[in-house]
Amino acid sequence: EPEVTQTPSHQVTQMGQEVILRCVPISNHLYFYWYRQILGQKVEFLVSFYNNEISEKSEIFDDQFSVERPDGSNFTLKIRSTKLEDSAMYFCASSYTSGGASPQYFGPGTRLTVL
Amino acid sequence: GEDVEQSLFLSVREGDSSVINCTYTDSSSTYLYWYKQEPGAGLQLLTYIFSNMDMKQDQRLTVLLNKKDKHLSLRIADTQTGDSAIYFCAEGNNAGNMLTFGGGTRLMVKP
Repeated sequence: EPEVTQTPSHQVTQMGQEVILRCVPISNHLYFYWYRQILGQKVEFLVSFYNNEISEKSEIFDDQFSVERPDGSNFTLKIRSTKLEDSAMYFCASSYTSGGASPQYFGPGTRLTVL
Repeated sequence: GEDVEQSLFLSVREGDSSVINCTYTDSSSTYLYWYKQEPGAGLQLLTYIFSNMDMKQDQRLTVLLNKKDKHLSLRIADTQTGDSAIYFCAEGNNAGNMLTFGGGTRLMVKP
C-alpha cells in the first residue's frame, strides 16, 4: 500500500540553525501539506502546496518557513533560523485532490528538537 | 475560528465497545475524519464521513454524525488491546485544504 515517508525521523539542531525536513508524498497525489504538533498540543496546519505554489498557509507559517518540491518526488519544509519554540513533531501529508474530497494521508513525522 | 474538541481519555475492557466523541464548531464543515496514532507512529487515517451522511460503518468501526448538534462519534466494536492509541477527530471543508484537529482521545484497553 502506498504511503507517505519522511526523513529524518528525529532531527536535533542548535537555535539559529537552518533545518530541512524531507517528505516523499504518495506518488499520484497532487496536493501536499505540512502540519506540526507541539508536545501536549493539537496538530496544527502550516501550509498546503499545489502545482508548485502555496495554496493556503496559516499564521504560523511566517517568513522563516518555506516549502519546495525540488524534484518529482520530494517535498521539503525549510526553517531558516530555528527557535526553541519550533521544537515539535512535523507531519507531512498528501492527497489526490483538494477540499476534503479525497482524504489526506500522513507520514510518520519528524521530531525536531531545537536546543 | 474553527474549533474541535474531544475528551482526553477513555478506558475500556477488552471485548467491550468504545465510543469516542468529538464536537466541532464550523457549520461549513464538509468532511470529518478519524485518525489513529500509535506510540511513536504517524497519523493513520481510519475512516471519514461526508456531512450529508448520518452514519458510516466499516467493519468494527461505526461513525455517527449529528450535524445539527455538530457532534461526531467513533464506535469501535469488540475493542482489542491493539486498539490502544490516541484517536484524533478532524474537520475540513470545501473552502480550503486545511484540517482542524481535536486534541485527541487516548484509548486504553485493559485485558
